[in-house]
Amino acid sequence: AQKITQTQPGMFVQEKEAVTLDCTYDTSDQSYGLFWYKQPSSGEMIFLIYQGSYDEQNATEGRYSLNFQKARKSANLVISASQLGDSAMYFCAMRRDFNKFYFGSGTKLNVKP
Amino acid sequence: EAGVAQSPRYKIIEKRQSVAFWCNPISGHATLYWYQQILGQGPKLLIQFQNNGVVDDSQLPKDRFSAERLKGVDSTLKIQPAKLEDSAVYLCASSQLPLAGQRSNEQFFGPGTRLTVL
Repeated sequence: AQKITQTQPGMFVQEKEAVTLDCTYDTSDQSYGLFWYKQPSSGEMIFLIYQGSYDEQNATEGRYSLNFQKARKSANLVISASQLGDSAMYFCAMRRDFNKFYFGSGTKLNVKP
Repeated sequence: EAGVAQSPRYKIIEKRQSVAFWCNPISGHATLYWYQQILGQGPKLLIQFQNNGVVDDSQLPKDRFSAERLKGVDSTLKIQPAKLEDSAVYLCASSQLPLAGQRSNEQFFGPGTRLTVL
């Protein structure tokens, strides 16, 4: 069963603008973690941001913020002031019991100058 | 702190040949993961170890893939015999167990091994 859904295969954003990448998840667990990773064309997976299921405030890390709507089971990534170096694949992931991670299919973000 | 190490970085083989990949996780990380990432797709978990025990290998094609983590540290993933559809990047990742007081316990990924099967 699909546990993480990213419905945007590709996105374009103008440099310096903000962009939202969508992620919805499916779990009946009470305790879980949500992650976003960036994968540039070089291939490495870079951890961006984390949100715990019990966290009441949305996570922020520099230009990255996570719009966590628990009732809707969504965990959208917001990138503010996009830069050319933000062009990459972005993956949403969920950690459940036994430290298992489930990844979405990814969104390819292109930042236009 | 050293990151997750993988070797080789690239491998080209012909179908029906065998191949092995090696991964050394971050020191102290109990959980080790092997993923297969086909171009344009998200990582697909092949097998997850906790120390030297298997937590999940439900998506590992066991007729041709095998993996071991004998001493609970480094790990080897083998494909024998390889098929054309095995062409992918094989990612190794490790993480700590989520303990009280630790928040994210994110996965740390190695650089991956790009396998091409001709």
